[in-house]
Amino acid sequence: GAGVSQTPSNKVTEKGKYVELRCDPISGHTALYWYRQSLGQGPEFLIYFQGTGAADDSGLPNDRFFAVRPEGSVSTLKIQRTERGDSAVYLCASSPKVTGELFFGEGSRLTVL
Amino acid sequence: DQQVKQNSPSLSVQEGRISILNCDYTNSMFDYFLWYKKYPAEGPTFLISISSIKDKNEDGRFTVFLNKSAKHLSLHIVPSQPGDSAVYFCAASGDGGATNKLIFGTGTLLAVQP
Repeated sequence: GAGVSQTPSNKVTEKGKYVELRCDPISGHTALYWYRQSLGQGPEFLIYFQGTGAADDSGLPNDRFFAVRPEGSVSTLKIQRTERGDSAVYLCASSPKVTGELFFGEGSRLTVL
Repeated sequence: DQQVKQNSPSLSVQEGRISILNCDYTNSMFDYFLWYKKYPAEGPTFLISISSIKDKNEDGRFTVFLNKSAKHLSLHIVPSQPGDSAVYFCAASGDGGATNKLIFGTGTLLAVQP
């Protein structure tokens, strides 16, 4: 289909390792959002991009988290020195513009052992 | 602190009856509210929204009511159908919907019994 695609769907890693989570938005959508959903919680805003630039990264929990969108399409969320508390489902969403309906992917489930 | 609260973790309703899902918020700066529905192993999907200048918005079987003085909103589903069984998230923003930077509640699991 032509929805938001996220890879990997599941990632198990060890504490201290580096991980990358990829998001391929709907073609033509200029805005891309990353959210994180921990167990029993609602999605929590991390960062959003308008085009190639990060318009608001105020939700990133600390400097171990970083995200890029170099060509204004695919985005990668990077987590350094993973901790057990990073375990969550990382959701990516896109919208045709900054406002308007948000289309979510199925998420990448990260488990840090 | 939780700025958007959904105090009922779950709700069970008979098919054909009304489902009422509730949401409370604490931040008076919130001016745009949304409901999302989530099936297992899928991402949330947008359902309905309401601006703070309104007190009601209706879309088919779904109606959202906003009570600003009480900082409370509710989602009514009439009539409820088994396919409505999902987790429902209330969300809010303080920028009038200018972005999709949202604060979500913890969700309510709705089970519609046939």
